[in-house]
Amino acid sequence: DQQVKQNSPSLSVQEGRISILNCDYTNSMFDYFLWYKKYPAEGPTFLISISSIKDKNEDGRFTVFLNKSAKHLSLHIVPSQPGDSAVYFCAASAPAGANNLFFGTGTRLTVIP
Amino acid sequence: DSGVTQTPKHLITATGQRVTLRCSPRSGDLSVYWYQQSLDQGLQFLIQYYNGEERAKGNILERFSAQQFPDLHSELNLSSLELGDSALYFCASSLRQGAGTGELFFGEGSRLTVL
Repeated sequence: DQQVKQNSPSLSVQEGRISILNCDYTNSMFDYFLWYKKYPAEGPTFLISISSIKDKNEDGRFTVFLNKSAKHLSLHIVPSQPGDSAVYFCAASAPAGANNLFFGTGTRLTVIP
Repeated sequence: DSGVTQTPKHLITATGQRVTLRCSPRSGDLSVYWYQQSLDQGLQFLIQYYNGEERAKGNILERFSAQQFPDLHSELNLSSLELGDSALYFCASSLRQGAGTGELFFGEGSRLTVL
């Protein structure tokens, strides 16, 4: 049972434009959400996170939005750069600080120069 | 470089065999996590150790076992291998016991192919 879903396997965006990656979850007990980025032949690396008490968290070009009522979060990258091309995983935990992270299947982002 | 080292990077073996994957966590990290990523799947949590003790178990098969040694490195043992065990196995480490709010540092993974 996939509790964290990323329904778009891939996304292509022009350099300089906005990239929006989406993530849905089913478990209402999730209260902390993270995004990881993965380049080929490397392990995932932490990108940005958000607590369920917030609806937005921003870090430079990266912003994560959380809509708890819709059980939906999104990652916005503005402006997109070719170096952002990677697979992005959404992850969630319940409760925050739990030992397990539930990951989505990932979205492959390609930023076209 | 995350500081987490996994060996081997690639492993090809036959059904019914047994393999051991090794992980050295980041210096100072006490928690080690094992995740499995099968084709077109997300990372599935297998098991976590904290300072030598098992702390949490996920969807780990009975044919699989793990341990964390006094020097904090960890090994994941996979036995009676089946074709469906072919996957990328990631090790991650963190300083704290919980994974939820602290970032995990992942190794590059060990790609297991069972023929």
